[in-house]
Amino acid sequence: GENVEQHPSTLSVQEGDSAVIKCTYSDSASNYFPWYKQELGKRPQLIIDIRSNVGEKKDQRIAVTLNKTAKHFSLHITETQPEDSAVYFCAASINTDKLIFGTGTRLQVFP
Amino acid sequence: GAVVSQHPSWVICKSGTSVKIECRSLDFQATTMFWYRQFPKQSLMLMATSNEGSKATYEQGVEKDKFLINHASLTLSTLTVTSAHPEDSSFYICSADPGSNYGYTFGSGTRLTVV
Repeated sequence: GENVEQHPSTLSVQEGDSAVIKCTYSDSASNYFPWYKQELGKRPQLIIDIRSNVGEKKDQRIAVTLNKTAKHFSLHITETQPEDSAVYFCAASINTDKLIFGTGTRLQVFP
Repeated sequence: GAVVSQHPSWVICKSGTSVKIECRSLDFQATTMFWYRQFPKQSLMLMATSNEGSKATYEQGVEKDKFLINHASLTLSTLTVTSAHPEDSSFYICSADPGSNYGYTFGSGTRLTVV
């Protein structure tokens, strides 16, 4: 089955800097790759997603890139703010079937 | 739109008892729902896929007789943790795909504590 690896597990950045989180997946049939932000005790919130027919997607300060050949995708957050501090999860699925999550990245943005 | 309502948000139960968790899709029909478990500081681990009108599909290592899933209607899926033990204490959360490229939506989660 699908296996998703995520790095780094923790990431600390200064406010205003960029943050990059990387994920790799194992099943070449996976074609949907969402990113979630989860605050303590809360449900995951979708922040951006990408499908395998595009290589990059951007939404204001957040962007995701996908390399299907290498089977990896990355989340890029620019101009980070303290409120970006949370745990971020990548995930992968085939045709919006079950989501398999990465191990998570705890992002801390220091003022 | 595309809201999944999950109840209860938290529950404390005695060891050996059963607990039922409900997830309802409020404004869309969900033929499939997914149940996840999340231990503290860990990722969301898929437990099972709930299918309306048929048996659930369990992930490897998940005991189907312990975690009973019922998906009797297009808007309601339930997870019953039977004979709960302290090691079942976790955050349980459901998810569904409303379709139309909306992306998965999650319930608010249920924090189960077994004492």
